Amino acid sequence: RKEVEQDPGPFNVPEGATVAFNCTYSNSASQSFFWYRQDCRKEPKLLMSVYSSGNEDGRFTAQLNRASQYISLLIRDSKLSDSATYLCVVNGNAGGTSYGKLTFGQGTILTVHP
Amino acid sequence: GAGVSQTPSNKVTEKGKYVELRCDPISGHTALYWYRQSLGQGPEFLIYFQGTGAADDSGLPNDRFFAVRPEGSVSTLKIQRTERGDSAVYLCASSLRPGANSYNEQFFGPGTRLTVL
Repeated sequence: RKEVEQDPGPFNVPEGATVAFNCTYSNSASQSFFWYRQDCRKEPKLLMSVYSSGNEDGRFTAQLNRASQYISLLIRDSKLSDSATYLCVVNGNAGGTSYGKLTFGQGTILTVHP
Repeated sequence: GAGVSQTPSNKVTEKGKYVELRCDPISGHTALYWYRQSLGQGPEFLIYFQGTGAADDSGLPNDRFFAVRPEGSVSTLKIQRTERGDSAVYLCASSLRPGANSYNEQFFGPGTRLTVL
């Protein structure tokens, strides 16, 4: 079983749609959670961190359920420029020397069309 | 300011050859990370440095892979006797301090695309 699992999609949605991505992680000791965005043939870039209480950044809302080890990302009012791969990311270890290690999901491909 | 830079951007080599990939982190960042990304997959952790020392090399796939950061800044990932399965994009990231939390973002470079023929 992969440490971080995502539905790879692709998701094809029209402009203005609301789309949700889900992710599960296996290491219950993970402490930090993120969504990264990766454009085609580019490096990953941090989209937002994910907090237990849920957090919002403009059109983007992230949720974390520690009990279920489940992370979600909701994008409202999709724009053409939102087309990218969205990577669910957790930190690898709860402590020790390896707490800098990020563990990535496979990524979910989103295409927003006119 | 300047971001993480990596050279070369593309490297094509033949099976069995030796390659070196270079990473220049953001100035002042003490932590440096190497990841590898295969087509259709997310990045996979290889190794991370705190200063000059490798704090965690658990992701290196085998002893053909080695990385150094002799002066605590630039890092080189070295691959001996390359195999076709080593073909991937090798990503470097740096952060101000070690750790992965909301206050310590890892910034990624553009990657080196390695192709082993």
